[in-house]
Amino acid sequence: QVQLQESGPGLVKPSETLSLTCTVSGGSISTYYWSWIRQPPGKGLEWIGYIHYSGSTNNPSLQSRVTVSVDTSKNQFSLKLSSVTAADTALYYCARGYGTSAFFDYWGQGTLVTVSS
Amino acid sequence: QSVLTQPPSVSAAPGQKVTISCSGSSSNIGNNYVSWYQQLPGTAPKLLIYDNNNRPSGIPDRFSGSKSGTSATLGITGLQTGDEADYYCGTWDSSLSAGVFGGGTKLTVL
Repeated sequence: QVQLQESGPGLVKPSETLSLTCTVSGGSISTYYWSWIRQPPGKGLEWIGYIHYSGSTNNPSLQSRVTVSVDTSKNQFSLKLSSVTAADTALYYCARGYGTSAFFDYWGQGTLVTVSS
Repeated sequence: QSVLTQPPSVSAAPGQKVTISCSGSSSNIGNNYVSWYQQLPGTAPKLLIYDNNNRPSGIPDRFSGSKSGTSATLGITGLQTGDEADYYCGTWDSSLSAGVFGGGTKLTVL
């Protein structure tokens, strides 16, 4: 059974960089599209980006603030979101995705990140 | 404003059937597969339907999906109080080169 677990600081100051890691267990991280998705409190889902062995793709709405990377030796992938504002306060999920079909079959439990001074 | 449009809420009585619509365009639903997710309060989304109309293992056949043109529909029959949740549609948008979701629909089982 594949399991995903997010980890990282729950509080980030405005203008700083949000950094999260997702640890994958029960399966190899070498395939699939490993994704980040967020959900502001009381709102809907927003796809952030994914990392795949062929490369990474990010949501254009987040422009160049997003970096998604992978560490296959640790079976982990990471998210960095720079220059954060209060609008980046959200529940951040990591998920396993299928590229051409763009669906997500395994999700982490989510981690709340608050942007505040 | 979400790229995919869903009704904010739907409701029906236990045992009844409900449908949730998801409207998009040719750059997303019209030319890509649609998936559906159920999000129970305080939990992560759960995949219900993938590739328009396929159910993952363990999802009961009370849940079904369909797609026509630039719209998709999730159907739930034999409604149970445990089905009360938020439901989201999702797909890939080829113009945006991004994953996109609907704004979510809150299902109330009266």
